[in-house]
Amino acid sequence: EPEVTQTPSHQVTQMGQEVILRCVPISNHLYFYWYRQILGQKVEFLVSFYNNEISEKSEIFDDQFSVERPDGSNFTLKIRSTKLEDSAMYFCASRRGGGVNGYTFGSGTRLTVV
Amino acid sequence: TQLLEQSPQFLSIQEGENLTVYCNSSSVFSSLQWYRQEPGEGPVLLVTVVTGGEVKKLKRLTFQFGDARKDSSLHITAAQPGDTGLYLCAGALSSGTYKYIFGTGTRLKVLA
Repeated sequence: EPEVTQTPSHQVTQMGQEVILRCVPISNHLYFYWYRQILGQKVEFLVSFYNNEISEKSEIFDDQFSVERPDGSNFTLKIRSTKLEDSAMYFCASRRGGGVNGYTFGSGTRLTVV
Repeated sequence: TQLLEQSPQFLSIQEGENLTVYCNSSSVFSSLQWYRQEPGEGPVLLVTVVTGGEVKKLKRLTFQFGDARKDSSLHITAAQPGDTGLYLCAGALSSGTYKYIFGTGTRLKVLA
């Protein structure tokens, strides 16, 4: 069964450093998402991406965050200057289009900012 | 801020018992999904419902979308230890981007 692949599975970074979280969506999917889940809290929407541009973003997704699809397969989330409160699980998701069917989440990257 | 409230938050039952988990909101959703999440893993989609009043079955799991598309329920018949996990509902408010608002979760433990 097709999967959304995220790397790394766990990343530890110093406060103030830049991090890039990587995702390989399912190959024929057209819509891409990032969500995050702070430990013990709800999964929260960050951003959606379609046709090489952001289609919607939440208030969490401020100027410190950016997304990119640098080639035909990867979808990245960059945090420019990490803060302690950015520590969370970050999930990538994708869907093909034409409705919600096939909405698939990756296994996540656990980001720990120290 | 749109909220999806799930109840109960925690549920511990014996194997073989039936249970129902509820997902409620004051907002109308274009679609609603149920997920199961294991520790350290991403949510795994169980079902998507899009029509008010819709009922879907997945083996021993029965999902219902409220007539007004504001609420949903998940019923498990004859629960098994393998059903243990965190159950999340998530609703899409916009039919455009399909961003999902997640519920607070119900942590289910089924004892053998």
